[in-house]
Amino acid sequence: DAGVTQSPTHLIKTRGQQVTLRCSPKSGHDTVSWYQQALGQGPQFIFQYYEEEERQRGNFPDRFSGHQFPNYSSELNVNALLLGDSALYLCASSIQETQYFGPGTRLLVL
Amino acid sequence: QKEVEQNSGPLSVPEGAIASLNCTYSDRGSQSFFWYRQYSGKSPELIMFIYSNGDKEDGRFTAQLNKASQYVSLLIRDSQPSDSATYLCAVMLNSGYALNFGKGTSLLVTP
Repeated sequence: DAGVTQSPTHLIKTRGQQVTLRCSPKSGHDTVSWYQQALGQGPQFIFQYYEEEERQRGNFPDRFSGHQFPNYSSELNVNALLLGDSALYLCASSIQETQYFGPGTRLLVL
Repeated sequence: QKEVEQNSGPLSVPEGAIASLNCTYSDRGSQSFFWYRQYSGKSPELIMFIYSNGDKEDGRFTAQLNKASQYVSLLIRDSQPSDSATYLCAVMLNSGYALNFGKGTSLLVTP
């Protein structure tokens, strides 16, 4: 039984560029949440997708957008990258309340 | 601001001892509580969840919840060096779907 998968594992971008991160949920899970974790901090909630709709959004600017596909996989898009967007981006899948995290994508913005 | 507070540590305990990790939260609307373990450079791994007041045990781990005092704790019995990691407390509100995390407590188990 495959767990949550994310791609790519690492990414280097320059300021102003755009990035797309991908997530496939655990088998049987229909909900995907995205979190940003800066060094030394706890994960911060970006948004959650359920039934291909954004169900809840955290305190992140509109530069952060997402999508969920009919197979429940999801993408996180970040436009106009800033140095401060450098972080570990975590995807979590769930079917009820309990969220299981993928391995994350480490993004470095130069 | 809905806050989740944890002591950053490091908390150092000898091998075989009990490690006690604490977490307080500010929003009385919180209904679900989770503990995650995160090794350096890795993603958070779910250890336990608890919804009701009292204790919940799973192997060497016990989660304790006191909603009146707004705290949740994690006890690790017979601590092992492999338990050395950052432990994240996460809280979910009754009205939402997001996990609100504390900054984590760093635990070091010394042989």
